[in-house]
Amino acid sequence: KAGVTQTPRYLIKTRGQQVTLSCSPISGHRSVSWYQQTPGQGLQFLFEYFSETQRNKGNFPGRFSGRQFSNSRSEMNVSTLELGDSALYLCASSLAQGRELFFGSGTQLSVL
Amino acid sequence: QKEVEQNSGPLSVPEGAIASLNCTYSDRGSQSFFWYRQYSGKSPELIMSIYSNGDKEDGRFTAQLNKASQYVSLLIRDSQPSDSATYLCAVRYSSASKIIFGSGTRLSIRP
Repeated sequence: KAGVTQTPRYLIKTRGQQVTLSCSPISGHRSVSWYQQTPGQGLQFLFEYFSETQRNKGNFPGRFSGRQFSNSRSEMNVSTLELGDSALYLCASSLAQGRELFFGSGTQLSVL
Repeated sequence: QKEVEQNSGPLSVPEGAIASLNCTYSDRGSQSFFWYRQYSGKSPELIMSIYSNGDKEDGRFTAQLNKASQYVSLLIRDSQPSDSATYLCAVRYSSASKIIFGSGTRLSIRP
């Protein structure tokens, strides 16, 4: 069974730009969660989607948004990028909300 | 108070010994607990989950949960150099299904 697929693997953007990250969950998994990982803050919860609806949201500004499609694939968008948005963005899928998370390889975003 | 707390380490353990990793959490109603391992430059991978008080064993790994003390631990028996990694404790909050991670404990197994 294929794992969680995240694209792209690396991104370099400049301040003020926007970016869209993509995540394809494990087949059969309906919940997708997004996390931001930085050396100083660790893994920070961004949001969780289940059945195309955002079920939970972390403490991030409105510049961070996401969505989930009917095939459970998810996208995350960050608008008006700031230097502090440089991080590894991890997507994780699970069979259902609150169950074991399985992570993709992540998207390393660098904002210059 | 952090939601999920772990000692950042590094924790240095000789090869073949038992490594003990600890985690405390603040939400008394939490019911689901997870341990993940993350190698440098890689994404976290699930080691095991535990839902009930007591011990749960899987190979060389044993997770221990004490809900009254709001404490969960991971024991690694017969530690190997390949166990050197950062270990993340994660807790599902009772008020929502979101899973919150601790900052991780860096474990180093010395030959």
